[in-house]
Amino acid sequence: IMTQIPVSLSVSRGQSASISCKSTQSLVDINGRAYLSWYLQRPGQPPHLLIYEVSKRFSGVPEKFSGSGSTTEFTLTISHVEAEDVGVYYCMQTTQLPYSFGQGSKLEIK
Amino acid sequence: QVSLVQSGAEVKKPGASIKVSCKASGYIFTNNYIHWVRQAPGQGLEWMGLINPSHGATNYIQHLKDRLTMTVDTSATTAYMELSSLRSDDTAIYFCARRLAQTKSFDSWGQGTLVTVSS
Repeated sequence: IMTQIPVSLSVSRGQSASISCKSTQSLVDINGRAYLSWYLQRPGQPPHLLIYEVSKRFSGVPEKFSGSGSTTEFTLTISHVEAEDVGVYYCMQTTQLPYSFGQGSKLEIK
Repeated sequence: QVSLVQSGAEVKKPGASIKVSCKASGYIFTNNYIHWVRQAPGQGLEWMGLINPSHGATNYIQHLKDRLTMTVDTSATTAYMELSSLRSDDTAIYFCARRLAQTKSFDSWGQGTLVTVSS
């Protein structure tokens, strides 16, 4: 089970935001890799990939998005928040079946 | 470029079945698993299952196993998700997504298909 905190957050433009994602089980597989990814879903759109394997930015994703963590606790940090960062952020584990998402964290601009 | 295009919105009565298609292009279809994810109105994302287009092997989330069938037509590079015995709580947007083999992340998503179950 994946638990995200906070469920919602309101941040001023230019400030940073952090979202926590915790798993009830280790997400490290037998090869030592943790398959924890982060997605952003803007209103009316499908999710899109930001971060994979905990901390690797997907192609084209700005450096303002960073991921960290290990084993069961993970964090997504968004620096210099802008209007285009608004949406719902989801963590997802793909280490073991069934795959699962966190419940989502809604980011708004104050 | 990689593209996943899904079939259009549908309205179904309780007890009916729905089959949603996901047409893939821009890559070798059999190289990547296709996953299905759904999102009830105003809710979060729920992983439903996967299919390996190479040989059709599937894995479904337990609580949908009895009603869910995923298939592929490799000649048409299209994946299908069929859900039977529809209930009102199956009302959701259904997404297909491509999984990258090495990183196990979903790099491309379909636009979503709204399925409404209503009498």
